[in-house]
Amino acid sequence: QKEVEQNSGPLSVPEGAIASLNCTYSDRGSQSFFWYRQYSGKSPELIMSIYSNGDKEDGRFTAQLNKASQYVSLLIRDSQPSDSATYLCAVKKGGSTLGRLYFGRGTQLTVWP
Amino acid sequence: GAGVSQSPSNKVTEKGKDVELRCDPISGHTALYWYRQRLGQGLEFLIYFQGNSAPDKSGLPSDRFSAERTGESVSTLTIQRTQQEDSAVYLCASSLLPGADTQYFGPGTRLTVL
Repeated sequence: QKEVEQNSGPLSVPEGAIASLNCTYSDRGSQSFFWYRQYSGKSPELIMSIYSNGDKEDGRFTAQLNKASQYVSLLIRDSQPSDSATYLCAVKKGGSTLGRLYFGRGTQLTVWP
Repeated sequence: GAGVSQSPSNKVTEKGKDVELRCDPISGHTALYWYRQRLGQGLEFLIYFQGNSAPDKSGLPSDRFSAERTGESVSTLTIQRTQQEDSAVYLCASSLLPGADTQYFGPGTRLTVL
């Protein structure tokens, strides 16, 4: 079982729609959860972080965390073509592995005009 | 500097040759990370330098891979006797403190082993 798994893409939504990206993780001791955006040929860029159960909103982005279900999601409201990218879910565990991030394979999102 | 820098941006080498990749973290950042990203894959952790503590080398895939960092400055990742499966983008990231949440990524080095 992989540490972090993301729903298979690619995901294609029309401009203005809500894009929903999902991620599950295997280690219940995981402490911090992140969403990175990676444009083609570019390095990952942090867009959201979440640490406690519930929702966290930042502009058009909402991260949702459910530790009991070991599930984290990212919602993008009013999707724009500029949101087209690969979204990487990353998890930080505690203990001796503090610092390193475990990444999912990413979900490729395309927003069409 | 303004951000994490890496060099070279692209490296093409022949199978069996050694390569050295360089990472220059953000000034003042004590933690430095190396990741590998194969085509269409997520990021694979390689090694983590945390201040003056012993590095976490648990992600290095074989003894052909090694990395060094002097103090809180530049790091080099060395791959000896390169193989075709080493072809990937090698990404370096740094964070202000060990374990601090936000990791800032460099632009990466694209390594192609022929």
